[in-house]
Amino acid sequence: DSGVTQTPKHLITATGQRVTLRCSPRSGDLSVYWYQQSLDQGLQFLIQYYNGEERAKGNILERFSAQQFPDLHSELNLSSLELGDSALYFCASSVGGGPNQPQHFGDGTRLSIL
Amino acid sequence: KNEVEQSPQNLTAQEGEFITINCSYSVGISALHWLQQHPGGGIVSLFMLSSGKKKHGRLIATINIQEKHSSLHITASHPRDSAVYICAVRGTGNQFYFGTGTSLTVIP
Repeated sequence: DSGVTQTPKHLITATGQRVTLRCSPRSGDLSVYWYQQSLDQGLQFLIQYYNGEERAKGNILERFSAQQFPDLHSELNLSSLELGDSALYFCASSVGGGPNQPQHFGDGTRLSIL
Repeated sequence: KNEVEQSPQNLTAQEGEFITINCSYSVGISALHWLQQHPGGGIVSLFMLSSGKKKHGRLIATINIQEKHSSLHITASHPRDSAVYICAVRGTGNQFYFGTGTSLTVIP
């Protein structure tokens, strides 16, 4: 058990809809990362937050947004969903926000768009 | 163009064999990560390296910054090592780049 909690585990929805994925980091970790893993693109980095502030941005679409709240949990919002958004979405956390930080991964949220 | 290349893509080994997975990258990095992903999907971070060598149990990871190359070694492989191993680098611009993974099967 990594200590990182992601909910829900599975989500099935339709094109055009909007969903919110939630991540609670490991106790004491201030940084949260979001990743997308799809069959055709592999793992991709979306965004990192550190203590409520955006720290790094990756290949995150404009239809996607994220935030980290004062209690350090994070939410990833996906809107105007397309079939290609079907993927595993992972959250990871680390103590600090710098590059040399081991990350602890959640079990992921499997998103299926019908 | 892939910033991170892994080899081999697939690897089958007999239990007890010594295994090496290679990772080459083309960008400047601040850290390199080796990740393990089991068939159930969960990801575990095995190592984070910025120089030298690290060892954890039967696993050894090395990195050569000058040659932009890292290796993951598994000694005395076991069927429970069967998984996908992914090399990831954090670029100096704070981006993350991932290899496509090496699928390892260890046969009893």
